[in-house]
Amino acid sequence: QQPVQSPQAVILREGEDAVINCSSSKALYSVHWYRQKHGEAPVFLMILLKGGEQKGHDKISASFNEKKQQSSLYLTASQLSYSGTYFCGTEDDKIIFGKGTRLHILP
Amino acid sequence: DVKVTQSSRYLVKRTGEKVFLECVQDMDHENMFWYRQDPGLGLRLIYFSYDVKMKEKGDIPEGYSVSREKKERFSLILESASTNQTSMYLCASSIGTAYNEQFFGPGTRLTVL
Repeated sequence: QQPVQSPQAVILREGEDAVINCSSSKALYSVHWYRQKHGEAPVFLMILLKGGEQKGHDKISASFNEKKQQSSLYLTASQLSYSGTYFCGTEDDKIIFGKGTRLHILP
Repeated sequence: DVKVTQSSRYLVKRTGEKVFLECVQDMDHENMFWYRQDPGLGLRLIYFSYDVKMKEKGDIPEGYSVSREKKERFSLILESASTNQTSMYLCASSIGTAYNEQFFGPGTRLTVL
């Protein structure tokens, strides 16, 4: 079943923070996060594994709450280069991606 | 760097035609995947393969088939293309063990007239 992402879209000014949420109705063992810029292929950001491990990528970090079956992606002091669509993917025997969250950063 | 290539960036076909989409990866990855991407629907898994000659259905396999005769190549086949198969098709690959990142190809935008 496809994980649910929220919000569907967000517009920020450069330097502002954002949180993207991903929730699943199934038990989670891992959550993947990818970013896709317009006209490009999705690019891997990070994987979070069962155990609540939090991993970071520059000023982008994420958390994983197995009990709540959800993950959140935190974008701190957003830059213009952060614009794009963010996908979470929950992994069982395969990765099922959410519908994506469109992020637009204004200068 | 891992490279995943797809045979065409843009493809236009007519209803009823047989369509082949090719994907090649150069990093000896065991796993390969085919997704379609439509506005508002995200990435939906069509088929995947864990090894040569092996295939598994994803969430939306109807109207598609796949072939994996060599480890580096994974083909998506539309036996009789229909207009509702107009979409962006993305191929990806990953190492065989679980919890590894997927590397995506640039995509093929298929239009079926």
